[in-house]
Amino acid sequence: AQSVTQPDIHITVSEGASLELRCNYSYGATPYLFWYVQSPGQGLQLLLKYFSGDTLVQGIKGFEAEFKRSQSSFNLRKPSVHWSDAAEYFCAVDNAGGTSYGKLTFGQGTILTVHP
Amino acid sequence: EAGVAQSPRYKIIEKRQSVAFWCNPISGHATLYWYQQILGQGPKLLIQFQNNGVVDDSQLPKDRFSAERLKGVDSTLKIQPAKLEDSAVYLCASSLGRGRRNTEAFFGQGTRLTVV
Repeated sequence: AQSVTQPDIHITVSEGASLELRCNYSYGATPYLFWYVQSPGQGLQLLLKYFSGDTLVQGIKGFEAEFKRSQSSFNLRKPSVHWSDAAEYFCAVDNAGGTSYGKLTFGQGTILTVHP
Repeated sequence: EAGVAQSPRYKIIEKRQSVAFWCNPISGHATLYWYQQILGQGPKLLIQFQNNGVVDDSQLPKDRFSAERLKGVDSTLKIQPAKLEDSAVYLCASSLGRGRRNTEAFFGQGTRLTVV
């Protein structure tokens, strides 16, 4: 069965510092991978997605992620974190099969705290 | 463009009572999803509709949960009777659904259910 692992439950960084959130997936075929962000009391907002092609993908709010097939990873990065980035981040894989596209399997999430 | 609308935002009920949630997807989106997000976990897919047909309901507890999407537009999710473990945020999402590259899901703000 497909699975997504986010090893870090909670990460704390200082404002202006760089950030890397880890994501590992287990999926037999070529995965479609996503990172979502969830602020308190809000729904999920898509940050970026990987379907194919260039393994380094750019997203909104200055985020990027790199797909590494050999490591089954899709880590999210940002060079300089802003206080407004404090939220919970979810990695997800589209475990599509046949016509069942869009069925996302999510990781447990990583809570990001930003210190001033 | 209007986003995914959900109501109510919050609901508190006693165990064994029934509850219903409503979702209106983005106009033109053929695929609609209901996810359950228990505190501290990533969202888990309950049911996926393509137009007004069910694509996947393998993780829907059918003894107490039901969902419908009449006319292929808005949808309701019902729980009857509710249990304490049903306390969660119920997220509705929609996507264009035509082809795998159009599976980007847009999420509503969710309904937070507390069962006491």
